[in-house]
Amino acid sequence: GAVVSQHPSRVICKSGTSVKIECRSLDFQATTMFWYRQFPKKSLMLMATSNEGSKATYEQGVEKDKFLINHASLTLSTLTVTSAHPEDSSFYICSATARGGGGGSSYNEQFFGPGTRLTVL
Amino acid sequence: GIQVEQSPPDLILQEGANSTLRCNFSDSVNNLQWFHQNPWGQLINLFYIPSGTKQNGRLSATTVATERYSLLYISSSQTTDSGVYFCAVERRGAQKLVFGQGTRLTINP
Repeated sequence: GAVVSQHPSRVICKSGTSVKIECRSLDFQATTMFWYRQFPKKSLMLMATSNEGSKATYEQGVEKDKFLINHASLTLSTLTVTSAHPEDSSFYICSATARGGGGGSSYNEQFFGPGTRLTVL
Repeated sequence: GIQVEQSPPDLILQEGANSTLRCNFSDSVNNLQWFHQNPWGQLINLFYIPSGTKQNGRLSATTVATERYSLLYISSSQTTDSGVYFCAVERRGAQKLVFGQGTRLTINP
């Protein structure tokens, strides 16, 4: 149980285009989903927290107009990188939690997707 | 915000050795998780352990919440244990995990 999928796993795009990344909880309802960014050989940095049906909460320094997050259902959140530039190239990882338990998880345990490697040319 | 420090940053061992990874945190926590990030980037949940001790095969973890640290033990290391181990904590009242910088473990055959 507690499986999170992410799609696509890898994307290469031209500068100026927009890219959408999907995050799905496959076997539980995710009350909250999170989006992280990871640079090579660095730790994960939280970008935003999204609760189903409400606006995402962005971390300080993250441009909300550039990184659009939609959490339309209890099993799906999307991150859209708008007008991508080479400096947006990174590894993007989502996670999900079923607060209160679910899918065999503990109360606020987070489960992570496999990540999406974005390269902007 | 809460600070999370992991040590050592790098650890190189021979197959069969035992290791201890440490995670110190600066505030009371609701959640503490240990992860193994494999070479493809997938974070694998090892333990959910805001307090107490747990064991899973060759791995075990202990969190002493009153002293604000957690330890991850790996016994009889195998080459497949190589990768980066992250500790992440959720401060009480917050709704998000803060990650440490990780320990990069290399197990040589």
